[in-house]
Formats: sequence, C-alpha cells, structure tokens
Amino acid sequence: NAGVTQTPKFQVLKTGQSMTLQCAQDMNHNSMYWYRQDPGMGLRLIYYSASEGTTDKGEVPNGYNVSRLNKREFSLRLESAAPSQTSVYFCASSEGGDRGYTFGSGTRLTVV
Amino acid sequence: EDQVTQSPEALRLQEGESSSLNCSYTVSGLRGLFWYRQDPGKGPEFLFTLYSAGEEKEKERLKATLTKKESFLHITAPKPEDSATYLCAVQAAGGYNKLIFGAGTRLAVHP
Repeated sequence: NAGVTQTPKFQVLKTGQSMTLQCAQDMNHNSMYWYRQDPGMGLRLIYYSASEGTTDKGEVPNGYNVSRLNKREFSLRLESAAPSQTSVYFCASSEGGDRGYTFGSGTRLTVV
Repeated sequence: EDQVTQSPEALRLQEGESSSLNCSYTVSGLRGLFWYRQDPGKGPEFLFTLYSAGEEKEKERLKATLTKKESFLHITAPKPEDSATYLCAVQAAGGYNKLIFGAGTRLAVHP
C-alpha cells in the first residue's frame, strides 16, 4: 500500500502565481486534512474534509481553497501565492480510532 | 482555546542516557492524545494514542504516559536511530478527529 501520496515534492513559485497541491490516499479513509508546518509553530490545520462532498476551514484557511474530488483525492489550491505561504505542506487521512492520522511525505513550497 | 506545548524544544543525549519529553495540554474535553515521530524530510509517523489519565503505552525504548494536564514520552537507553522530532497532538471532544499539534521536540542521540 502506498498510503498517502502527495505531489509535487518540491515547488518554487513567484508571488502571484497559482498552483494546486495534489493528495491521494488508498486506505479507503473518509477524512482527509491539509496542514502546513513552519519552524517553531508545529503543524497547523488549513482545511479538512470529514467525508466525500464536505470541506471545512481549519485554523489558517486564508489564501487557500480545497476540493474533495472523490473519496481518494483532496487537493489544495493557492490562487495567488504570497511569500507568507512558504512552508511544508502535509496531507493526511484518517478513519478515526486509535491510529490517528496517516501522513504523506510533504510538499516543500517556496514563494519568492 | 485548545493548546499544546512541548518541552524542551531540543534535546541532546548520549547513547544510553535516558530522558523524558514533556507535552502539556489545555483542551476542552480530551478525546485522545497522540505521539508521532518525524524524521527529516518526511511526514510524521504514528507512535501511540492515550485516552485517559494513568494510561501507559510502550514500544521498544519508548514509553508514553498521561496525566490530566500533560503527557511524557520516556526514552530508555536511547540509540542514535532514535534521533528525530517527536510531536504531540490532542484531539478534543467534539473536534471531529481534528488534531491540534505542539511544535515538537528535536531529539539528537550521539554515539
């Protein structure tokens, strides 16, 4: 099993450019999440999807949009990238219960 | 406001030197407390879930404990391969599986 797959692994954007981060899971989990990780601040929730067809804002949603395309895929879009969005982005999925989340390997995004 | 604070930020140990990492939390009803390990350039990997005060879980050289205000990750006789960042997270009652993470403790174990 691949678990949670994120693409791309690295990306450099210019201020104002747009891009979509892709995430897919093969564990048949209902819930999916997007977090960003910044030095000294831990992981902060951007958006989550409790189930197919639903999405909700997390702690830091400004500047981002999401799409739950189907049960497997949950994408994160930056419409107009800003240097403050330079970060490492992690997608995760969960079925609740004892094991918490399964994380992808992350996308390192730099906005110049 | 739900909050998780981890200490210390960084810890350097000699191989075999046991120590503990702390996770203090404030949450409106704890559903679960999670420990993860994160290696450089990778996503966090699940270690333990604790649900109630007094609960303990062990895995190899690691033991996690829980009180009503904090959790400890005890590392016994660590080896260099235990070097990683250890993350603590809480799930609040009614928070629909959302986890709130601490900033982590960077552990370096030297031979």
